[in-house]
Amino acid sequence: QSALTQPPSASGSPGQSVTISCTGTSSDVSSYKYVSWYQQHPGKAPKLIIYEVTKRPSGVPDRFSGSKSGNTASLTVSGLQAEDEADYYCSSYAGSNRVFGGGTKLTVL
Amino acid sequence: QVQLQESGPGLVKPSGTMSLTCVVSGGPISSTNWWSWVRQPPGKGLEWIGEIYHSGTTNYNPSLKSRLTISVDKSNNQISLKLSSVTAADTAVYFCARGETRYAGGKDWGQGTLVTVSS
Repeated sequence: QSALTQPPSASGSPGQSVTISCTGTSSDVSSYKYVSWYQQHPGKAPKLIIYEVTKRPSGVPDRFSGSKSGNTASLTVSGLQAEDEADYYCSSYAGSNRVFGGGTKLTVL
Repeated sequence: QVQLQESGPGLVKPSGTMSLTCVVSGGPISSTNWWSWVRQPPGKGLEWIGEIYHSGTTNYNPSLKSRLTISVDKSNNQISLKLSSVTAADTAVYFCARGETRYAGGKDWGQGTLVTVSS
């Protein structure tokens, strides 16, 4: 299984919106509605922020939203805040297993 | 609130077998949850290792399957991971996670435990 493809970095100023892409294949992203996104701050465990492409766990701000088109999923962070600076990982169900993206470091300028 | 706590040896010799435990508190392991292991080499990204349901049904990363065993211990409310024939490439922080369904992602995570493979 190959890792999903994410841009290594993204950035935006406070208050702006940023979108992070996650490109897979017909074996994962495009075939299933089971894409998750995680936020990870340095030295911490990942935190689930989006599951099943568009759903947010309770407690996650609605500034975080997810979407999917074909073999590419996207995470949009609106109204950027300083605390959003972190690494973001996508993950997709891929049949009997799962695959992660390589991660995107989001910098708030 | 479900809490997870990983524990392990810290240091394992090459070609040896590493054994990790994830103790679950705040809820029974025998519920409709899926329990996963994920690892992260120092300075690198996340890698899915495998998952288990309380019934014992497992799914493994194909690249690790030949060396991997994940099991559940209901009496002690914990899950375990054994990885054999380890090399330096297995050096990583190992996390356990809980998913409310098989497809909903890892909602609760442990803090992770670092395992270093070195002689």
